[in-house]
Amino acid sequence: SQTIHQWPATLVQPVGSPLSLECTVEGTSNPNLYWYRQAAGRGLQLLFYSVGIGQISSEVPQNLSASRPQDRQFILSSKKLLLSDSGFYLCAWSLAGYWRNQPQHFGDGTRLSIL
Amino acid sequence: GQQLNQSPQSMFIQEGEDVSMNCTSSSIFNTWLWYKQDPGEGPVLLIALYKAGELTSNGRLTAQFGITRKDSFLNISASIPSDVGIYFCAGRNLGGSNYKLTFGKGTLLTVNP
Repeated sequence: SQTIHQWPATLVQPVGSPLSLECTVEGTSNPNLYWYRQAAGRGLQLLFYSVGIGQISSEVPQNLSASRPQDRQFILSSKKLLLSDSGFYLCAWSLAGYWRNQPQHFGDGTRLSIL
Repeated sequence: GQQLNQSPQSMFIQEGEDVSMNCTSSSIFNTWLWYKQDPGEGPVLLIALYKAGELTSNGRLTAQFGITRKDSFLNISASIPSDVGIYFCAGRNLGGSNYKLTFGKGTLLTVNP
């Protein structure tokens, strides 16, 4: 069966510091991968998605970037964090391939607090 | 962009009561999904619906894909304290991206023992 791992679970960073959040998926090949941010107001905002190695689509202009250096690895980064980057970051995956209506499956999230 | 209207925003019920929540969209959807999120964790898929009129159950949970393809509901029967959490609907609209989902803003459910 497939599993998704996100780390760290919580992170406290000063304003202006860099960021690297990592997500890995096991048990499947060539998954679609996603990064979401969930603010206190509960809505899920799609930040990036990737359909293959090195292929990144950005949904909203922001202070963050994403990379996919390996098939099942998705990284969310920033060179300089802003206070507004605080939030709950969720990684998700879905099966690629012939059937497009695949549901997304989420990791346990990273709680990021910027001081 | 595409939006989903999920209601109610929150519910306070007594243990044992039934619960109903729904989502509506302004355009036709070809996929409806229902997720539950416990505090501090990621959303977990409860039920997936792929055909208009489809009615699917998962234990005490039942969800339906509306006939018009613009709505879906989730029912929880005989609620228990562990049903507490945020319930999200999500969908993929016909003709939209194969990769992206649209999410509702969630229904916060509180169950009083």
